[in-house]
Amino acid sequence: QQQVRQSPQSLTVWEGETAILNCSYENSAFDYFPWYQQFPGEGPALLIAIRSVSDKKEDGRFTIFFNKREKKLSLHITDSQPGDSATYFCAASEGATGGNNKLTFGQGTVLSVIP
Amino acid sequence: GPKVLQIPSHQIIDMGQMVTLNCDPVSNHLYFYWYKQILGQQMEFLVNFYNGKVMEKSKLFKDQFSVERPDGSYFTLKIQPTALEDSAVYFCASSLGQQVFFGKGTRLTVV
Repeated sequence: QQQVRQSPQSLTVWEGETAILNCSYENSAFDYFPWYQQFPGEGPALLIAIRSVSDKKEDGRFTIFFNKREKKLSLHITDSQPGDSATYFCAASEGATGGNNKLTFGQGTVLSVIP
Repeated sequence: GPKVLQIPSHQIIDMGQMVTLNCDPVSNHLYFYWYKQILGQQMEFLVNFYNGKVMEKSKLFKDQFSVERPDGSYFTLKIQPTALEDSAVYFCASSLGQQVFFGKGTRLTVV
């Protein structure tokens, strides 16, 4: 059972364009949604995260839009740079109850930014 | 930012042998995790660990797997015996609150 799904599997944009990465989930108990960025040979690094009480979270060029009713969220990367080329994972958890934060990951979106 | 260190980065082992993957979590973190990632696929939760005990494990955490963190030392994942399907990248992670920090992974190749 795929609890967190991402689309597209891969995405290519030109430098300066906005990349839009989509994510959906099934478990209504999920309330914390981090996005991780992973470069080849590296571990995933936390990029930005949102709680289900919010519908938008912005950090520089990265913005999460969240729709709780539809169980969907998206990551927008504006003014994409070649250095943004990486795999992006959407993850979800039922929140860090007492500090325990077990994450469920999507399959990832491979983003390529062409100069 | 906070670093989770994993040793070694790559390990090749004969099927049936024992392997121990080592993790040095962020120093003040209390919750520790192992995830498994097969090439090109998503990361999947294996187990989490707190206060010397396994809190939760997934179906992927087979009987051949064990975890421990003796006081002041590495958080380890031991596989005994290894099987071909254990070949993957294993990521260690740690957390104190909501933010979970991952290591660079250990690529395990079982031959």
